[in-house]
Amino acid sequence: KAGVTQTPRYLIKTRGQQVTLSCSPISGHRSVSWYQQTPGQGLQFLFEYFSETQRNKGNFPGRFSGRQFSNSRSEMNVSTLELGDSALYLCASSSGLSNYGYTFGSGTRLTVV
Amino acid sequence: LAKTTQPISMDSYEGQEVNITCSHNNIATNDYITWYQQFPSQGPRFIIQGYKTKVTNEVASLFIPADRKSSTLSLPRVSLSDTAVYYCLVGVGGGTSYGKLTFGQGTILTVHP
Repeated sequence: KAGVTQTPRYLIKTRGQQVTLSCSPISGHRSVSWYQQTPGQGLQFLFEYFSETQRNKGNFPGRFSGRQFSNSRSEMNVSTLELGDSALYLCASSSGLSNYGYTFGSGTRLTVV
Repeated sequence: LAKTTQPISMDSYEGQEVNITCSHNNIATNDYITWYQQFPSQGPRFIIQGYKTKVTNEVASLFIPADRKSSTLSLPRVSLSDTAVYYCLVGVGGGTSYGKLTFGQGTILTVHP
């Protein structure tokens, strides 16, 4: 079966702009989680969506938001980009029925200049 | 969530067996132990998961002592392609931790020719 698909793969944005990243989970999976990975902070949890509802949220400012559609695809939006938002953004999909069985996508590499 | 401690880095040579130990002294009764592998600019990939004793799959073995305060990931006969970061995660099976996998610093394994 197809894996988790993240688009775009690479993105360059200017400070102050906003960006939208997309994640298509494995077919049948209803949970999508988002993570930010930077060399300094490692992998950090942003938020999780299940059946179009945000169930869990990490400690990130309100500039980071997300949503999930009825087909379980999810988008993540970052507004007013800062240089420190440069990172690899990863999404993971799962059935959502337990805290195991996560499959990650290859990520979107965001560079803010 | 149980905190994990792993070596920051390890070196090995092709064909050798590699054992990476993770300490998780405050593991809870219903916590499972999961290991992920991550290559540069890719998402983490599930390797193996266990609760107690020994688990083996086609790529690795996981040894968990009776007190479950540590676990050891064993990679038999490593190759250059096993060079990656390995993460040990300890987590609950559901509840308020939905979607939130807590990654530590991981162990950078470098396999030399």
